[in-house]
Amino acid sequence: LAKTTQPISMDSYEGQEVNITCSHNNIATNDYITWYQQFPSQGPRFIIQGYKTKVTNEVASLFIPADRKSSTLSLPRVSLSDTAVYYCLVGDRGGGFKTIFGAGTRLFVKA
Amino acid sequence: DSGVTQTPKHLITATGQRVTLRCSPRSGDLSVYWYQQSLDQGLQFLIQYYNGEERAKGNILERFSAQQFPDLHSELNLSSLELGDSALYFCASSVDFGTSAQETQYFGPGTRLLVL
Repeated sequence: LAKTTQPISMDSYEGQEVNITCSHNNIATNDYITWYQQFPSQGPRFIIQGYKTKVTNEVASLFIPADRKSSTLSLPRVSLSDTAVYYCLVGDRGGGFKTIFGAGTRLFVKA
Repeated sequence: DSGVTQTPKHLITATGQRVTLRCSPRSGDLSVYWYQQSLDQGLQFLIQYYNGEERAKGNILERFSAQQFPDLHSELNLSSLELGDSALYFCASSVDFGTSAQETQYFGPGTRLLVL
């Protein structure tokens, strides 16, 4: 299983760009990197997924360097409603499938 | 709305009791996953089913069991409940074979269990 490491928490202000980095040194060749967002008392919600270089959707961008040992989730111009926990996941291609969410990063956006 | 439904939304019971949580996956999704999230804890993977068969097990207690029925809905059974079992229980579903975390999982709203 590829373990991930993220900052426990981050603070930001409305309108700023937020970058959350995730380390996954043991990522396997076929693994993808996926980010989820979770609001209090709600289930996680898929944000973005990538394999290499850069992926962008209407919500965020995901930057993955060539060695793929880390990835950065970029949230442009955050608002108060982006206050949530953000989880980085890396695929497990082992004999069984177990989703490891980790502790996530608590992002707090201030006015 | 993710399309995944869970019932009940809230459940209050006593220690030693048994409860059943129900999950209906999104239409067309074959895999169902169960997670436990205690207060201030991350999501703990419990178990996954694919098309009626158990696919993977996480740190699921022996007092807990699950199954997926032919219509693909799933139930999580929690027995001999303890205070520490109080948590949010989430169900998620995905469309594919469930062989890697690259699949997008769609989470339900959760069932909040309180054991007194």
